[in-house]
Amino acid sequence: DQQVKQNSPSLSVQEGRISILNCDYTNSMFDYFLWYKKYPAEGPTFLISISSIKDKNEDGRFTVFLNKSAKHLSLHIVPSQPGDSAVYFCAASANGEKLTFGTGTRLTIIP
Amino acid sequence: GAGVSQTPSNKVTEKGKYVELRCDPISGHTALYWYRQSLGQGPEFLIYFQGTGAADDSGLPNDRFFAVRPEGSVSTLKIQRTERGDSAVYLCASSPGASGNTIYFGEGSWLTVV
Repeated sequence: DQQVKQNSPSLSVQEGRISILNCDYTNSMFDYFLWYKKYPAEGPTFLISISSIKDKNEDGRFTVFLNKSAKHLSLHIVPSQPGDSAVYFCAASANGEKLTFGTGTRLTIIP
Repeated sequence: GAGVSQTPSNKVTEKGKYVELRCDPISGHTALYWYRQSLGQGPEFLIYFQGTGAADDSGLPNDRFFAVRPEGSVSTLKIQRTERGDSAVYLCASSPGASGNTIYFGEGSWLTVV
């Protein structure tokens, strides 16, 4: 039972344009959401998070949007840079419990 | 240390052997997690410690897997009678307090069972 889903395994975006990564979840008890970025041979690195009491959180070039009614969140990166090429994981938790991760989306930024 | 440290970074072992993977969390972090990541998948939860006790071990796949954190800092994940299906990256993470908040990962221990 995949409670956190990233339906796009890969995405290619031109440098300077906007990258939009999507994530859907099924568990309505999830109240905290995070995005992690992973380079090859490294552990996942925390990027940005959002609590369910908000619908948007912004940090520099990264913005996360949460649509609770649709059980959907997205990560926007603008402008995209070559160093953003990595695998991005969406994660969620309920009531302060363990994080559940999606399967990841490989983002490639084309110079 | 500055980050979560995991050893070994790579381990190749024969089917049936016993393996130990070690995790040294960020100094001061009371919560410690073990996750497993197979190729093409996201990290899969194994076990979570708050201090010395295992607060949630619901992700351990079977009784061949066991983890300890005797002094509330370093943790060891132990796998008995390894099988080829155990091959994966084992990720350790820590956080300052309760679970479900931002956790910080180490670089992982890549286990290959041949």
